Amino acid sequence: DTGVSQDPRHKITKRGQNVTFRCDPISEHNRLYWYRQTLGQGPEFLTYFQNEAQLEKSRLLSDRFSAERPKGSFSTLEIQRTEQGDSAMYLCASSRADTQYFGPGTRLTVL
Amino acid sequence: QKEVEQNSGPLSVPEGAIASLNCTYSDRGSQSFFWYRQYSGKSPELIMSIYSNGDKEDGRFTAQLNKASQYVSLLIRDSQPSDSATYLCAVNTLIQGAQKLVFGQGTRLTINP
Repeated sequence: DTGVSQDPRHKITKRGQNVTFRCDPISEHNRLYWYRQTLGQGPEFLTYFQNEAQLEKSRLLSDRFSAERPKGSFSTLEIQRTEQGDSAMYLCASSRADTQYFGPGTRLTVL
Repeated sequence: QKEVEQNSGPLSVPEGAIASLNCTYSDRGSQSFFWYRQYSGKSPELIMSIYSNGDKEDGRFTAQLNKASQYVSLLIRDSQPSDSATYLCAVNTLIQGAQKLVFGQGTRLTINP
């Protein structure tokens, strides 16, 4: 257990529904990252927060995706109008410097 | 060309032998390099970080970095069945003041008893 928690651990939804995931980083870590991982591939960067500021967004993050980190603590990742291609493991990581520690992930299945 | 490349394997090694995992990267400006282990259905777990050319040892694991050749490797000595997992090479990339990890696709390692 790295100290990064994610909720829920599994989510099954129907195409077109909205879903929201939560990440709680290690308490003293000011940097928070979201990644997406599909089967047989390494994680792909989605977005990065330093404190409450979202500093970088990948082109993978379409308009249907939005992430927030209010007050620089926990973060949420919302996917609107889910598509079957959104099925993946969504990973959150946090760091104080450049070493990132990953949470257990949220596995999303879109039917 | 992919930014971080690994042989996807599978790599099969007998128990007790040395497993050698390799990774190349394209961004010459990268300064931080990491190896993560990922068991099936689980999230990546940090094994090693390396920042300077040469070797870094931690128990049965040795990371090697050659920035001139843009090459990172991980050696696992006295391989155990519990080492069977996918090993992810990750390179820290700085973009507009923000850092992100760029991962290879991972090498699947199987240790045969």
